[in-house]
Amino acid sequence: SQQGEEDPQALSIQEGENATMNCSYKTSINNLQWYRQNSGRGLVHLILIRSNEREKHSGRLRVTLDTSKKSSSLLITASRAADTASYFCATDAGYSTLTFGKGTMLLVSP
Amino acid sequence: DAGVIQSPRHEVTEMGQEVTLRCKPISGHDYLFWYRQTMMRGLELLIYFNNNVPIDDSGMPEDRFSAKMPNASFSTLKIQPSEPRDSAVYFCASSLNQGQPQHFGDGTRLSIL
Repeated sequence: SQQGEEDPQALSIQEGENATMNCSYKTSINNLQWYRQNSGRGLVHLILIRSNEREKHSGRLRVTLDTSKKSSSLLITASRAADTASYFCATDAGYSTLTFGKGTMLLVSP
Repeated sequence: DAGVIQSPRHEVTEMGQEVTLRCKPISGHDYLFWYRQTMMRGLELLIYFNNNVPIDDSGMPEDRFSAKMPNASFSTLKIQPSEPRDSAVYFCASSLNQGQPQHFGDGTRLSIL
């Protein structure tokens, strides 16, 4: 079963707007990671947030983690057409593997 | 540094044929993962290795699937005989340690006719 579930499944915005994607999971985790996948390519790691962290920033990315609600959000500020991709959350529950959600497809129109 | 390298990028073959997918992980990474991605099922973990040893192959769908890692720089995923429902994109990924970010190859798009 999927540990992480992203919401929404698809998101369409204009360049310059902010994009927010959410991820919910079911069990305790060591860390949560976000990945991006461009069409026809492999997943690329974006950011990792540990279970004892609440917020993390990397460039235009901001990730929050609420372990009490078992949820995380990824905010992309001032989006660009090049941000068009699928975004996945993945949880590390301490089993040496990551469990990926089904992703959010983001379309950023010029 | 070179990333994870997979070959071939595309494979089209007829049902019943043997298919071999190849992966070269990032040097120094102790973990190697094989995934399958489809629209219906998303990204599924098939098997993973730690220091060349298979640790968990519970995701391998059937005995038709097998994977090997003869050394730290090479792994194969073999399907024999192949079936149309095996059509998917197969990814290899490697990581330095457990729970750490995984580095993915660009995948092999497999079509079984």
